[in-house]
Amino acid sequence: DGGITQSPKYLFRKEGQNVTLSCEQNLNHDAMYWYRQDPGQGLRLIYYSQIVNDFQKGDIAEGYSVSREKKESFPLTVTSAQKNPTAFYLCASSISPTALGEQFFGPGTRLTVL
Amino acid sequence: AQTVTQSQPEMSVQEAETVTLSCTYDTSESDYYLFWYKQPPSRQMILVIRQEAYKQQNATENRFSVNFQKAAKSFSLKISDSQLGDAAMYFCAYRSGNTGNQFYFGTGTSLTVIP
Repeated sequence: DGGITQSPKYLFRKEGQNVTLSCEQNLNHDAMYWYRQDPGQGLRLIYYSQIVNDFQKGDIAEGYSVSREKKESFPLTVTSAQKNPTAFYLCASSISPTALGEQFFGPGTRLTVL
Repeated sequence: AQTVTQSQPEMSVQEAETVTLSCTYDTSESDYYLFWYKQPPSRQMILVIRQEAYKQQNATENRFSVNFQKAAKSFSLKISDSQLGDAAMYFCAYRSGNTGNQFYFGTGTSLTVIP
């Protein structure tokens, strides 16, 4: 079955630690995205990638980093510089930046700072 | 950047009745796509319906339909014959037809279905 997987489903982090959230897709999509979801604020874009080895900052990139070494993988690292990382994180993909269509979403990761 | 506004944080509907969720957006572009996504308690985002701005005909998917008013920059979602499984957060989203890279989401409307 084609889709997007995110792991882990729940993640706990101690203050000062970096953590990495995994996102994998087997849809052969070129574009991938990371969103942060907080209550009452909808989805806010952290980073997006249009192609392998290329990515752009979204609206709230500070304290986060990404890599895109493979087409199917787009991991997100939450660094200690992110002051309030507790949130729900969603990964998404779309066919390509130039082909208009919807985004497909993974099931999300809930990150909690202890 | 484009903005998407959902002015109804919460809505409720009686089972089997019809409800309309509102969405407005701000853009200077003529070519774009609009979407409604559903996020049930599982938090999995599911595409409900989409509308291409160049199409005058309103999109329909079974019990879900939209009222797309391009001049008014309005994109409302109508749910007919509401079912308990329709209870969820609903997000309106905009995608540029020019750059196509970013999606812009509203803050969501929480829909409760009353048995």
